[in-house]
Amino acid sequence: EDQVTQSPEALRLQEGESSSLNCSYTVSGLRGLFWYRQDPGKGPEFLFTLYSAGEEKEKERLKATLTKKESFLHITAPKPEDSATYLCAVDGGSQGNLIFGKGTKLSVKP
Amino acid sequence: DAGVIQSPRHEVTEMGQEVTLRCKPISGHNSLFWYRQTMMRGLELLIYFNNNVPIDDSGMPEDRFSAKMPNASFSTLKIQPSEPRDSAVYFCASSLGPRAGGGGQETQYFGPGTRLLVL
Repeated sequence: EDQVTQSPEALRLQEGESSSLNCSYTVSGLRGLFWYRQDPGKGPEFLFTLYSAGEEKEKERLKATLTKKESFLHITAPKPEDSATYLCAVDGGSQGNLIFGKGTKLSVKP
Repeated sequence: DAGVIQSPRHEVTEMGQEVTLRCKPISGHNSLFWYRQTMMRGLELLIYFNNNVPIDDSGMPEDRFSAKMPNASFSTLKIQPSEPRDSAVYFCASSLGPRAGGGGQETQYFGPGTRLLVL
């Protein structure tokens, strides 16, 4: 069965304290791995798509990497406005079927 | 671009009533998805349309749920009769469609969601 597991469930950082979020996946054939950011009361906002092991994408303080079994979302020198829930999803099964992890809730304190 | 538009944003109803959620996808997008988000189960796909045709409805919980896409710019998700366990946030997402050559889907863009509470 295809699965996506995110860790940790929650992460509290001080402003400027860099860290990484993990997304482990088990799928029969990965067709894409997606990172989204979700703020309270809003829909998920697209951040990155990764398609093959070794691929990396960057946007401001965020950098996503991909291996054959997991993806990391690295946050460098985070700011309070980076506080949100970060969702990982894989496209590996039925056509159009994104499988989401439960998310990591990030809190960045000033 | 206005993004994916959903209405209503909030809905409170009583058990047994019919609920209709509405979605307008991003113009030019050929695929539309309905998801449900709860604390316990996270985000789950309910149904996926491509070019207005339902492709995968395996996530629809039971016969009380139905979805339609009469044209490229409008879709509805209906629950009849509603039950308290249907309380959740329902998201609509759209994408350009299946990726050429590589399999899978182009990036999905989500609407703001409809927060449904069934009493």
